[in-house]
Amino acid sequence: EVQLVESGGGLVQPGGSLRLSCAASGFTVSSNYMSWVRQAPGKGLEWVSVIYSGGSTYYADSVKGRFTISRHNSKNTLYLQMNSLRAEDTAVYYCARGHWDLQPWGQGTLVTVSS
Amino acid sequence: DVVMTQSPLSLPVTLGQPASISCRSSQSLVYSDGNTYLNWFQQRPGQSPRRLIYKVSNRDSGVPDRFSGSGSGTDFTLKISRVEAEDVGVYYCMQGTHWPITFGQGTRLEIK
Repeated sequence: EVQLVESGGGLVQPGGSLRLSCAASGFTVSSNYMSWVRQAPGKGLEWVSVIYSGGSTYYADSVKGRFTISRHNSKNTLYLQMNSLRAEDTAVYYCARGHWDLQPWGQGTLVTVSS
Repeated sequence: DVVMTQSPLSLPVTLGQPASISCRSSQSLVYSDGNTYLNWFQQRPGQSPRRLIYKVSNRDSGVPDRFSGSGSGTDFTLKISRVEAEDVGVYYCMQGTHWPITFGQGTRLEIK
């Protein structure tokens, strides 16, 4: 069964850092495009970042220069390193397989940026 | 960025009745390869999004056939032939044709 499980969320102060993980099972992360999408409390969906199977990475303008997407092939895990966090980064962060297709999604992990 | 505009934003429906959600894009979603990368997602209360429809009209595995997608160019529609209680939630359209991918604001379906 294809499954994604996120972890690493929590409460962090503005300007702080956090690393999210997304453990995959049932498929190989490195052979697929993998994305992060976030959802602020009570709001809609916002694409954050994608890593292509070839290793190229892309970011939304809102996080460019602050977030870094990566993967660990032997652990079959996707990551999102988030630095210089702001209040507006508060959201549930989902990982998903794909880029234009986005299926399936993980259960999400909540990141709260607050002092 | 391509703006995706959904209507209505709130959709009260009687059980067993049909429902329809419109999604309009600010640019044509036809890609250079001839495909139209327009997807529909369902997010039930307290759950993560789940894809229902991909490339306008292709239903995902396990999605009931009461869900259907249609449209072309800039105008798209998600239809539910007979709403059931389990259909309550928020529905999002998403375009994957243009960079960056963008989502509609969401349509909240509730039972009247």
